Amino acid sequence: NAGVTQTPKFRVLKTGQSMTLLCAQDMNHEYMYWYRQDPGMGLRLIHYSVGEGTTAKGEVPDGYNVSRLKKQNFLLGLESAAPSQTSVYFCASSRDGSLSSYEQYFGPGTRLTVT
Amino acid sequence: AQSVTQLDSQVPVFEEAPVELRCNYSSSVSVYLFWYVQYPNQGLQLLLKYLSGSTLVKGINGFEAEFNKSQTSFHLRKPSVHISDTAEYFCAVRGRFGGGYNKLIFGAGTRLAVHP
Repeated sequence: NAGVTQTPKFRVLKTGQSMTLLCAQDMNHEYMYWYRQDPGMGLRLIHYSVGEGTTAKGEVPDGYNVSRLKKQNFLLGLESAAPSQTSVYFCASSRDGSLSSYEQYFGPGTRLTVT
Repeated sequence: AQSVTQLDSQVPVFEEAPVELRCNYSSSVSVYLFWYVQYPNQGLQLLLKYLSGSTLVKGINGFEAEFNKSQTSFHLRKPSVHISDTAEYFCAVRGRFGGGYNKLIFGAGTRLAVHP
């Protein structure tokens, strides 16, 4: 049981390049999330998904797109990277949205630098 | 709207000393609170959560937190810290997406540095 995994762990991009970050979970969770973590700002939600085939915008969605074609995978895309997207990206999942079991499980993160 | 303020960005402490990490929240809906810990170069993991019931919540690794409704606080405490507790700690409050789904709103984090 690997939990939540993220690929790649590190990446350096030039401005204008594109890339996709992959998140996979093996816990059969319904909900999945993408966050970015910047110093002094905590975690900010980029996009989220409440089930296979569904996605929605979070707090800071501009410049990112997502897809959830399979329940276990949640992809985050950067179409044209900008230096402001230099950050650590975390994927998370939760079993569902009910409060009684509400806990998010996090991946190890992807450190992205855009030059 | 919901928000979280962590009052200290960094807390240095000596090993075996007690520690308190402070968190204040605001919420316009029923309050549910969480503390997560992030060890160096890792993702976040849940320390403890308050959903209802006793205001004193015990979590993993000897941590506990107390929900204080009148002071809108959820401070995290440990009576005796270890070097291995060095990490960043995040307080979070339950929020709601537009469709009524639950989400977490995180504070900016407190970096706990335990020195020998």
